[in-house]
Amino acid sequence: DTGVSQNPRHKITKRGQNVTFRCDPISEHNRLYWYRQTLGQGPEFLTYFQNEAQLEKSRLLSDRFSAERPKGSFSTLEIQRTEQGDSAMYLCASSLPSSYNEQFFGPGTRLTVL
Amino acid sequence: QKEVEQDPGPLSVPEGAIVSLNCTYSNSAFQYFMWYRQYSRKGPELLMYTYSSGNKEDGRFTAQVDKSSKYISLFIRDSQPSDSATYLCAMQPDYKLSFGAGTTVTVRA
Repeated sequence: DTGVSQNPRHKITKRGQNVTFRCDPISEHNRLYWYRQTLGQGPEFLTYFQNEAQLEKSRLLSDRFSAERPKGSFSTLEIQRTEQGDSAMYLCASSLPSSYNEQFFGPGTRLTVL
Repeated sequence: QKEVEQDPGPLSVPEGAIVSLNCTYSNSAFQYFMWYRQYSRKGPELLMYTYSSGNKEDGRFTAQVDKSSKYISLFIRDSQPSDSATYLCAMQPDYKLSFGAGTTVTVRA
């Protein structure tokens, strides 16, 4: 399967714990995006990478959130000191260098904070 | 007010019917307009995208964009039970997608 992959698919954690998610984009895609989706809503943009450079962070991404893409390949999203309001589906997408309007999404990581 | 408004439905139609979905938006900077399909607990799947105003057809799917009215539509002809999903409109001026809330569609066999 050459699509976008995300791990883990599900994560249950207790409030206050740190969690880290991983995204592996489609191999030739140099643009990578993170979105968050809550129940009954569409995805909301969190952040965007072009290669290893993080070019934009949404105001939704508080100081407790950090994203990296160290070698321009896979990316990680870390949430420190999780809160119940962080419970959501975290989606990763990627696109070709020439086409950020065709974003292909992974299956998502569903986070539940107890 | 949200940038992109989409009626969440739900919408229930018999098999073979035409499904009509739409979104309105407020940001005149939007240039690209997409439709995604999302099955329960899965990631969104890109169905088709349109640049600026006009129509685009792909098999049973037709997307329409009317920038003067800030209104986009998706039509699904000869709907099948496998079309049952949530349909999300999305649009962008650049790399950042702005999504509607999604419309849940059920096609009854």
